[in-house]
Amino acid sequence: QVQLVESGGGVVQPGRSLRLSCVASGLTFINYDVHWVRRAPGKGLEWVATMSFGGSEKYYTDSVKGRFTISRDNSKSTLYLQMNSLRAEDTAVYYCAKILANGQYYFDSWGQGTLVTVSS
Amino acid sequence: DIQMTQSPSSVSASVGDRVTITCRASHGISSWLAWYQQKPGKAPELLIYRASSLQSGVPPRFSGNGSGTDFTLTISSLQPEDFATYYCQQANSFPVTFGQGTRLEIK
Repeated sequence: QVQLVESGGGVVQPGRSLRLSCVASGLTFINYDVHWVRRAPGKGLEWVATMSFGGSEKYYTDSVKGRFTISRDNSKSTLYLQMNSLRAEDTAVYYCAKILANGQYYFDSWGQGTLVTVSS
Repeated sequence: DIQMTQSPSSVSASVGDRVTITCRASHGISSWLAWYQQKPGKAPELLIYRASSLQSGVPPRFSGNGSGTDFTLTISSLQPEDFATYYCQQANSFPVTFGQGTRLEIK
């Protein structure tokens, strides 16, 4: 059974940094794209970032480009999200989510989420 | 970016009712559409993918339909555990985008 476990969230001041981690088990991690999706308080779901399983391609939503960096360590089955220059509008629960199959960007497994609060 | 618009934003219904939620894409997305259910404090769960394919383990009272720009999610007979927020998501192109959500409440 696939399990995704996020960590690294917390309360941080605007302009500071956090690094989120997502550890995967129950799957061959290197075979799948894994994504970050967030949900801000009182708002809907927003896709944030992904990278190809080989690491050669990275994609970000416009609002985080230049501030967030996604990476992965396939040997540790772990996905990371380095978040710099955090803003109040980055406050959200951050989920990692696995796609159903390569080329099919439906998210069939999700972590429990980690809460990031950006506040002074 | 492809915008996804759901309607209604919220709906009240009773156990046993049939409910339909609609989702419209700003550009054609063929059948590249998914539906998710999210309950408070929980992660979203995939219900339907490729517009009409039922995800493993999801009860058959959930069904999806549509292609191009117009899609529907129907719950044929509401159960108490179905009261939640539902999202559509297009998987046609990056960035993948979600609808704003439809909150299904108990009448």
